[in-house]
Amino acid sequence: AQKVTQAQTEISVVEKEDVTLDCVYETRDTTYYLFWYKQPPSGELVFLIRRNSFDEQNEISGRYSWNFQKSTSSFNFTITASQVVDSAVYFCALSGSYQLTFGKGTKLSVIP
Amino acid sequence: DTGVSQNPRHKITKRGQNVTFRCDPISEHNRLYWYRQTLGQGPEFLTYFQNEAQLEKSRLLSDRFSAERPKGSFSTLEIQRTEQGDSAMYLCASSFGEQFFGPGTRLTVL
Repeated sequence: AQKVTQAQTEISVVEKEDVTLDCVYETRDTTYYLFWYKQPPSGELVFLIRRNSFDEQNEISGRYSWNFQKSTSSFNFTITASQVVDSAVYFCALSGSYQLTFGKGTKLSVIP
Repeated sequence: DTGVSQNPRHKITKRGQNVTFRCDPISEHNRLYWYRQTLGQGPEFLTYFQNEAQLEKSRLLSDRFSAERPKGSFSTLEIQRTEQGDSAMYLCASSFGEQFFGPGTRLTVL
């Protein structure tokens, strides 16, 4: 069975601070994909990134960066210089083939 | 707009009534998924189509739930004899690789 754990239920930061959202996963698959989605107050899930299990290279996209460590089964997400528009619920998800298994999400509040 | 669309966006119904939701995927996507999300939780997988074939159903999908995707285009999710526990956001996603989600249909069963 697949499982995704996001231990941080809620995080509050002051604007311009850096923040890291943790994600730990469990799977027996040797090939799998990891994802991050953002769910703003409007409710629509927004795709942020997909990584496959064979690619442990960290990725940076603007203020967003992702750290994938297979040895610790973690796929953490860092927002640098946070902004109020980053306030949302962030979900980490895992897929072995087609269906996504989501964590419970981390609610990020960025205070101006 | 070329994203995933869902209708209606909100549905309020009385317990015992039947409801049907529609999802229009991104046109070139052959895979379509339904998820359910309750308050404070991540989305949970319900079912998956590749073209018109329904390839997987979660144990969450009781006999009161049925999904179709005729002609491999839009999909419908029907819930018969709704119960208060069915109140949730029903999300549709489509993919050719990563999944893109629609805005969801929020169901409230009174």
